[in-house]
Amino acid sequence: NAGVMQNPRHLVRRRGQEARLRCSPMKGHSHVYWYRQLPEEGLKFMVYLQKENIIDESGMPKERFSAEFPKEGPSILRIQQVVRGDSAAYFCASSPLRRSNTGELFFGEGSRLTVL
Amino acid sequence: GQNIDQPTEMTATEGAIVQINCTYQTSGFNGLFWYQQHAGEAPTFLSYNVLDGLEEKGRFSSFLSRSKGYSYLLLKELQMKDSASYLCAVPYTGGFKTIFGAGTRLFVKA
Repeated sequence: NAGVMQNPRHLVRRRGQEARLRCSPMKGHSHVYWYRQLPEEGLKFMVYLQKENIIDESGMPKERFSAEFPKEGPSILRIQQVVRGDSAAYFCASSPLRRSNTGELFFGEGSRLTVL
Repeated sequence: GQNIDQPTEMTATEGAIVQINCTYQTSGFNGLFWYQQHAGEAPTFLSYNVLDGLEEKGRFSSFLSRSKGYSYLLLKELQMKDSASYLCAVPYTGGFKTIFGAGTRLFVKA
């Protein structure tokens, strides 16, 4: 019973390149959340998705960042034209289908992006 | 809006008891979570409180006072492996996200 799977675990990009981070939620979970964590800081909410729908993207930067969760396949967080400030750990979390947000989150191991 | 405050760092001795406090401000209330995060690893769920009082789970207990907007995590019989960050988190009542505090880094020394 696999947990939340994220890949790549580590990604190095040069300024201006694109970064794609993938997340497969736990089996049976249909809610995916992306969080960003800078060194020595807490988790900052970015986006919440259900299959084929973005529900809440209030934490996403308006430019260069996008997320999707297609009907088939993993959720993808895409960062275009990366800058050094994008260097961080990006965590994906999933939760089972619930009517309200009272469920615990199950986190993946994170993808650590380093921008040179 | 929502705001969560917790101390940045704490140090305690192996075998001792430590209490990590968390205060929150929220327009509504839908429960409070505590997560543990070891350096370089994923956060893992520790506890969830929605009613006032103390919830005990082995060496870890979590307390909630809704009227005071206050929670604490109590760790007993500290072990070196308890050195980690402890994150206080509340679901955002205006939407579907969970808001996390900055975390308290706990150092357990021998």
